[in-house]
Amino acid sequence: NAGVMQNPRHLVRRRGQEARLRCSPMKGHSHVYWYRQLPEEGLKFMVYLQKENIIDESGMPKERFSAEFPKEGPSILRIQQVVRGDSAAYFCASSATENTEAFFGQGTRLTVV
Amino acid sequence: QKEVEQDPGPLSVPEGAIVSLNCTYSNSAFQYFMWYRQYSRKGPELLMYTYSSGNKEDGRFTAQVDKSSKYISLFIRDSQPSDSATYLCAMSAGTDKLIFGTGTRLQVFP
Repeated sequence: NAGVMQNPRHLVRRRGQEARLRCSPMKGHSHVYWYRQLPEEGLKFMVYLQKENIIDESGMPKERFSAEFPKEGPSILRIQQVVRGDSAAYFCASSATENTEAFFGQGTRLTVV
Repeated sequence: QKEVEQDPGPLSVPEGAIVSLNCTYSNSAFQYFMWYRQYSRKGPELLMYTYSSGNKEDGRFTAQVDKSSKYISLFIRDSQPSDSATYLCAMSAGTDKLIFGTGTRLQVFP
């Protein structure tokens, strides 16, 4: 049973470009969470999605960031017009239902140059 | 004040030692408590998941939750060099998001 799959593992973007990060949850999981981790810091919640619905986006910056989890295909975290401060590791987690164990992917490390 | 406080370490112990890792929190609504292990440049790996107060044991790992003191612990017995990693506590009020501590870096030397 494959775990949470994230791609790409590493992404380099120039300032002003768009970054698209993908996450395929574990088989049977319909709850997806995105977190951001800055160096020497813990993980910060960004957004919680179920299929075709955003449940909680209280951790998402108000501008340039968006997320989706379509009926078919992976969840996408999209960052428009990236800036150097967006450089971080972005982790996706999935769970089968609310209040059950959340399993993390290996992350996408975004570097903005 | 952060919702979850965790000593960043590093904590350095000899192989075979008992390791104690701790977190305190301020939100009394937290009900679900987790410990994750994260190796350098890898994703967090779930070690322990507990609900409400009490103890839970899994192999060399024991998790304790004391809701009255808002304090959780992870004990590692017979520590091994392969246990060297960053340990993250996380908790949830049972809605959606996990709130993480900043992590404690553990080094187990042979």
